[in-house]
Amino acid sequence: GAVVSQHPSRVICKSGTSVKIECRSLDFQATTMFWYRQFPKQSLMLMATSNEGSKATYEQGVEKDKFLINHASLTLSTLTVTSAHPEDSSFYICSARDWGGPSSNEQFFGPGTRLTVL
Amino acid sequence: GENVEQHPSTLSVQEGDSAVIKCTYSDSASNYFPWYKQELGKRPQLIIDIRSNVGEKKDQRIAVTLNKTAKHFSLHITETQPEDSAVYFCAASSIRLGNEKLTFGTGTRLTIIP
Repeated sequence: GAVVSQHPSRVICKSGTSVKIECRSLDFQATTMFWYRQFPKQSLMLMATSNEGSKATYEQGVEKDKFLINHASLTLSTLTVTSAHPEDSSFYICSARDWGGPSSNEQFFGPGTRLTVL
Repeated sequence: GENVEQHPSTLSVQEGDSAVIKCTYSDSASNYFPWYKQELGKRPQLIIDIRSNVGEKKDQRIAVTLNKTAKHFSLHITETQPEDSAVYFCAASSIRLGNEKLTFGTGTRLTIIP
């Protein structure tokens, strides 16, 4: 099946710094990628939809100036958490859909990035 | 937007027995309903999915049923094994706005008692 990678898997940073998370589709092209946030013992909450070559679509309540998304190529989307604070500590997961694959509805998830802000 | 409710939040089942998890959705335009298994600290793994033109789908010990009229779908796991212990999420995909985003249920923590 389609493979999605994320980097880094874990990051610890000081409050006020910015952190960039990369999401890559390794064996397919992804015109659309999705970014989720998951707090401990909670569900996945969609933050934004990342579209190659255009602006991301953010969900209600998600600050676009704080969570910068760039989707510059068909295989890479990045999420930058700017001026991170302890409340931003969470598990961030990306996903992508392989439109050219046998199951165009299926979303393939990255392994996630555990962000801890001190 | 879409709203997905999931019950129960926790479920304990004796090994070998069956487990059933139920979800309801609100958007009649949703047409794709996947179920994911997530182990602690790991990515969600698709275990089965169903489209709105099908009422039931089965894959070995796992089955999913869909009732479009009532807007609910259920996951059935038979002959449960200890390795089935995990958190399970249902989801619904809305075709509105063309980007088919997934809305997840709140999750069910399934524990299989040996």
